[in-house]
Amino acid sequence: DSGVTQTPKHLITATGQRVTLRCSPRSGDLSVYWYQQSLDQGLQFLIQYYNGEERAKGNILERFSAQQFPDLHSELNLSSLELGDSALYFCASSVGQRGDGSETQYFGPGTRLLVL
Amino acid sequence: SQQGEEDPQALSIQEGENATMNCSYKTSINNLQWYRQNSGRGLVHLILIRSNEREKHSGRLRVTLDTSKKSSSLLITASRAADTASYFCATDAGGSYIPTFGRGTSLIVHP
Repeated sequence: DSGVTQTPKHLITATGQRVTLRCSPRSGDLSVYWYQQSLDQGLQFLIQYYNGEERAKGNILERFSAQQFPDLHSELNLSSLELGDSALYFCASSVGQRGDGSETQYFGPGTRLLVL
Repeated sequence: SQQGEEDPQALSIQEGENATMNCSYKTSINNLQWYRQNSGRGLVHLILIRSNEREKHSGRLRVTLDTSKKSSSLLITASRAADTASYFCATDAGGSYIPTFGRGTSLIVHP
């Protein structure tokens, strides 16, 4: 158990809908990262928050947005869902934000999203 | 394309054998990390090797780094069925501190 929790575990929805994924980081971790994992794209970094502020953006679509709240939990909002958004969405957390790529990330169990 | 690419894509061995997987990357790095992912679950950090290190050990894991060839290898000795998983390398690409993951090597260890 990494200490990172994600809810829900599974989500089935229809195209055009909007969903919210939730992540609680490990106690004491200030950074939260969101990833999308699909068979064709692999593990794609979406966005990172550090202590409530957006720090880095990756391949995140405009239909997607995220935020980190004062209690450090984070939510990833996916809207106008398309079939291609079906994937595993992972949240990870780390202590801080070193600038040399040495942060160990602790991953949650993921949310499996299926868009029908 | 990915900063780090693992090779082979898939590896199937018998319990007790050694498993070697490789990671190649394109731009200079500060650190390289290896992670393991059991089917459909979150990634688990295995080991970090810094750019000024050439080899690192952790239990049955041995990681090497050759910065001149921009490559790293992960060796799992005396493999067990429980080692069956996908293994990913993650590098910081060109100064970005966000680790960039490769597509992974899928390892199957047959009992």
